[in-house]
Parts: sequence; structure tokens; C-alpha cells
Amino acid sequence: DQQVKQNSPSLSVQEGRISILNCDYTNSMFDYFLWYKKYPAEGPTFLISISSIKDKNEDGRFTVFLNKSAKHLSLHIVPSQPGDSAVYFCAARSGNTGKLIFGQGTTLQVKP
Amino acid sequence: GAVVSQHPSWVICKSGTSVKIECRSLDFQATTMFWYRQFPKQSLMLMATSNEGSKATYEQGVEKDKFLINHASLTLSTLTVTSAHPEDSSFYICSARGRGRGEYYGYTFGSGTRLTVV
Repeated sequence: DQQVKQNSPSLSVQEGRISILNCDYTNSMFDYFLWYKKYPAEGPTFLISISSIKDKNEDGRFTVFLNKSAKHLSLHIVPSQPGDSAVYFCAARSGNTGKLIFGQGTTLQVKP
Repeated sequence: GAVVSQHPSWVICKSGTSVKIECRSLDFQATTMFWYRQFPKQSLMLMATSNEGSKATYEQGVEKDKFLINHASLTLSTLTVTSAHPEDSSFYICSARGRGRGEYYGYTFGSGTRLTVV
């Protein structure tokens, strides 16, 4: 039972364009959503988060949008840079337990 | 910012032996530690949650006698894989949550440990 889903395993974008990574969830008890960037054989690096009471959070080139009614969130990276190439994980926090549940990840490739 | 130091970064062991992985919070007190494992090209799967001074809570399907978690201090948690088998080969990552210097630190990840059982 996958509570957090990233349905696109990979995404390829040209440098300078926008990258949009999507994430869907099923559990309405999630109260916080986070995006992480990860390289092979390394731990995840925190990028940006959003509370369930917000619909948008922006930090530099990164913006996260939350649509609670659709149980959907997205990460926008603009402009995309080759250094953004990595695996991006969406994670949701259970309001009851504090546990983070991760999606399957999306591999982003930004081409020069 | 908060740092979690995880060691070793990689380890190879023989089947039947035990391996210990350590995670230390360097500049904050980790009141809660989460342990994950990741198979190649897959998601991070939560194995267990431990609070300092308490027994770990394991996720469904995770053998608590095989994956021993100790969180005896606010800066150190260990995961011991006992009687390791080749199917235990995976990437193990810890994540700590806690307080330090008046600030709250949430979900700081270690750098991970690549375990290969031969």
C-alpha cells in the first residue's frame, strides 16, 4: 500500500527551463510534506517543505505547490541547472506518529 | 546546521556474521532516530523508530531480532544486523530529529551505509 507515489520514474529537461516533479498521496492525516534531493550512495538532502495548511512555499529556484483536495503536490525548479540532476524524493509526515513516508523517487536529468 | 554522522559508509561481511552501523548527532540531541533501508532504484523504506532510552518500534515485516536498534544516548543510535544474509545487502540510512542550541532540528539524514553480505 503505497501512501506516497511519484508516478514518473524519470524526467529530462533542458538547462534553463522549468522542471516539474509530481507527487500524490492517499493519507489525509499527513500534515507536512518535504522534498529531498539524493545522489547514489549518499543520504537525502533536504530541499524544501510545506505545511498542509499552506498551498505554496518558495525558496529561491524551488517552489512547492500543495493541492489538498487533489492530494497532490509538485516541486518546480526554475531555471533548471545541470547540477540539479539527481533523484528527487517526495516525503510526507504522519501527523500522528511523526514518521516520514517516502515516494519512489524521480530521476531528474538536466541537459546543458 | 545539524549534522548526523553515519559510519561506516560501506562494509562487506560474511554470511552469518553481525554488523553494527552507528549514527551520531554532532551538534544536537537526537530524541528520535529513524532507520531506513533502500534497495537499488527504490524508495527509502522505514524500518524502525527509536526514542532515546526506549525500545525501538519496528515497522510491519521488519524482524526486530535481526535488526537490533539501540538508542541509549541522545547523540548515538546503532543498528546491528545480526546473522547477516546476502538478502540483507542494502543501503541503510538513519535520520535524526531533536533539539540543540535552542533550535529544533527535524529529519536530518546520515550519509548512509552500503552493506554487502557475501
